[in-house]
Parts: sequence; C-alpha cells; structure tokens
Amino acid sequence: GDSVTQTEGQVALSEEDFLTIHCNYSASGYPALFWYVQYPGEGPQFLFRASRDKEKGSSRGFEATYDKGTTSFHLRKASVQESDSAVYYCALGGPRTNAYKVIFGKGTHLHVLP
Amino acid sequence: EAGVTQSPRYAVLQEGQAVSFWCDPISGHDTLYWYQQPRDQGPQLLVYFRDEAVIDNSQLPSDRFSAVRPKGTNSTLKIQSAKQGDTATYLCASSFTDNNYAEQFFGPGTRLTVL
Repeated sequence: GDSVTQTEGQVALSEEDFLTIHCNYSASGYPALFWYVQYPGEGPQFLFRASRDKEKGSSRGFEATYDKGTTSFHLRKASVQESDSAVYYCALGGPRTNAYKVIFGKGTHLHVLP
Repeated sequence: EAGVTQSPRYAVLQEGQAVSFWCDPISGHDTLYWYQQPRDQGPQLLVYFRDEAVIDNSQLPSDRFSAVRPKGTNSTLKIQSAKQGDTATYLCASSFTDNNYAEQFFGPGTRLTVL
C-alpha cells in the first residue's frame, strides 16, 4: 500500500541554521504531497502541497520540491527560528478518484535552540 | 471564519466505559475525517465521510468504534467499552472537495486516557 517515510524522528538545530527534513514516499499513480506542522495541544496545520513532478510548494519560508524520480518531497528552510519548533508531517493524498485519502508519516520533531 | 471545533477536549475513562466525541466542521466543507493519533505518532485515519455517506471505514479498529454524520454536517465518533490501547488523541478534520487534493483543516483534538 501507499506509505510515507520520514527519516529523522528528531532534529535539533540552533537559530539561523539550515533545515532539511527528509520525506520519501511509495505510491501508485500520481499522489499529491503535503507538509503539515503541529504545535503542542493543537491539530496539524496545512503548510503547503505539490501535485506534479518538479512543482515547488512553499509557505512561511519553508519549501519542498516534488521529485517523482527519487520519490521525495524534502522540507527545507534556510534559517530556522525558535518559533519553528514543532512536529512536521509529510503526507500523501490521492486524487479525486481516490476520495482524498491522506496518509501521514510518523513526523519529525524539530527543536530550535535560541 | 470559524475553524473545526471538537468536544470534549479531554476525557478520562476506566476500561469498559463508553465515550463519544463530537465534531463541527468548517461550514461548507463536504468531507469530514476522523483520525487517531497515539502519543508521538502521526495521525492515522479511522473513517471519513463525503456529506452523510461513509467513504471508507476500513480502518476503524473494531466493532467497538462507530461514527456517524447523519445530516452531512456535524459528526460523532463513539467508542463502546474502551480499552487502554485506545488511549490517544482523536482528531477531526474537514475539507472542501471542489478542487483536487484539497487540504484538510484540523480541530484541536480530544485527548482520551483509558485507565
């Protein structure tokens, strides 16, 4: 079945460091790819999505590029802030014909130290 | 615009007790999802609806879990005879399916502890 793999369970950085969180997927067809962020005590929030090869999604300084060749959608940010500390989820979703079933990865805890 | 609301925010039960969770999606959103999120894990889909119809409930753990959305708006998720393994946060999300790959909007969740 379809799946999402996030390599890092925890990432610890200092402010202004460069961030990369790796996301690889396995799916039939051509899924949409998403990044969500979750703060303590809240539900996940949509960051952005991409739905075709080489498309770049971005929001709040975060970005990721859909790469069908390497089946990846890695999250990057040039300079992290303490307020970016949260859990980040990569997810994939089917097109309309698959009734929008969305599968989440296990998440990556980002800790940004001041 | 109001977001997705859920109640209660917290619930503590003894094994064998029943509990219901309630979700009010964003107005106009036709699709509603229920997820289970164990501690330190990603959301895991339980069931989802398009309007009042169940699209997929294959991930509901057992006959102890049930979900309804009778008028295509609010929804209730019920656990009969809760077990310690049901301890998790239960998240509700909604989306509007007019466009492909619609993003989901999540409520704050209900944190369930089964003793």
